[in-house]
Amino acid sequence: KAGVTQTPRYLIKTRGQQVTLSCSPISGHRSVSWYQQTPGQGLQFLFEYFSETQRNKGNFPGRFSGRQFSNSRSEMNVSTLELGDSALYLCASSLAGTNQGLEQFFGPGTRLTVL
Amino acid sequence: AQTVTQSQPEMSVQEAETVTLSCTYDTSESDYYLFWYKQPPSRQMILVIRQEAYKQQNATENRFSVNFQKAAKSFSLKISDSQLGDAAMYFCAYRSYYGGSQGNLIFGKGTKLSVKP
Repeated sequence: KAGVTQTPRYLIKTRGQQVTLSCSPISGHRSVSWYQQTPGQGLQFLFEYFSETQRNKGNFPGRFSGRQFSNSRSEMNVSTLELGDSALYLCASSLAGTNQGLEQFFGPGTRLTVL
Repeated sequence: AQTVTQSQPEMSVQEAETVTLSCTYDTSESDYYLFWYKQPPSRQMILVIRQEAYKQQNATENRFSVNFQKAAKSFSLKISDSQLGDAAMYFCAYRSYYGGSQGNLIFGKGTKLSVKP
């Protein structure tokens, strides 16, 4: 079974631009979570989508948004990029996001650099 | 709000030796899950071991075992017979029992483990 895939793997943008990152979960997984990883703040939860609905949200500004499609693929969007948005963005999928399918499987991440 | 603390930013171990990584957490919940994740230099995060708070028995997965002390809110990871492939960042993580809108993982800052040949 294929793992979680994320595209693109690397991205360079300039301040003020917007960016869209994509995540394809493991087949059959309905929950997709996004995390931001930086050297200073570590791993921080952005949001979780389950059955095309945002079910959980971390403490990030509204410039960070996401969505999930009927095939469970998810995208996250960051508008008006700031230098501090430079990070590794990790996507994780799980079967249901509840006590069922507890384990979250992570993708390789998208490395975003904002210049 | 729950927090997870890993007090050892870096650790080093000789190949074939045993090393213990520390993790403490703070929560007011009585039921929850704890995890250790490994992130090798390639960046793909993988689950090493998990512990349900309602289970008193410490979890074990091959060379990896945990020492779960619920009252002390401590969750350490012991790696026995360390191998070069164990070199990675190790993250301790907490998850509420109930999932759903509380189902996200809360991570510690991580411990970078080096394995010396």
